[in-house]
Amino acid sequence: DGGITQSPKYLFRKEGQNVTLSCEQNLNHDAMYWYRQDPGQGLRLIYYSQIVNDFQKGDIAEGYSVSREKKESFPLTVTSAQKNPTAFYLCASSIGTDANYGYTFGSGTRLTVV
Amino acid sequence: DAKTTQPNSMESNEEEPVHLPCNHSTISGTDYIHWYRQLPSQGPEYVIHGLTSNVNNRMASLAIAEDRKSSTLILHRATLRDAAVYYCILRDFPWGSGTYKYIFGTGTRLKVLA
Repeated sequence: DGGITQSPKYLFRKEGQNVTLSCEQNLNHDAMYWYRQDPGQGLRLIYYSQIVNDFQKGDIAEGYSVSREKKESFPLTVTSAQKNPTAFYLCASSIGTDANYGYTFGSGTRLTVV
Repeated sequence: DAKTTQPNSMESNEEEPVHLPCNHSTISGTDYIHWYRQLPSQGPEYVIHGLTSNVNNRMASLAIAEDRKSSTLILHRATLRDAAVYYCILRDFPWGSGTYKYIFGTGTRLKVLA
């Protein structure tokens, strides 16, 4: 079955470390997105990519980086510059970029700073 | 900011219908209305979407007002598994972004009572 796979499900980071969250999709979707969710809050957009080798900052990109070398993959790196990285991270994809076809979400990665 | 307004929380008894309202007074003529739900520690799950006419699928029904400025998600018989946060979403085209995006609000937390 097609879908989005996020790994790992849980991730622990020490202060000052960079960590990378994986997102892979086999839906042949062009656009991919990374969201952050804090407890009791809605989703906030970190980065998005409409095509391979291209990506744009979302609303809260500071302290994060991404790459889109393959259509299927959109990894997110949480850098040491992100001062409050503990959150639930969600990856999504969509067929096109006009947002009328809906998004497919992964099951999320919960990142905790220890 | 999200383009939709929803109540923060609602309660329903099990096996009874639930009507979840959403206001979207600034909707444009080509915007679809999307509904997603999110169970605890999971990614949002697609529920239903529509443009002008009422829509039905195996999960729910979507009733859209004639002027399209509001809509209602209808769960015909709520079960305990329907307890989740329900998001009503329109696409947005933030100035300067160059693309459409989903803007998530905080949604409606549905509690189902046994």
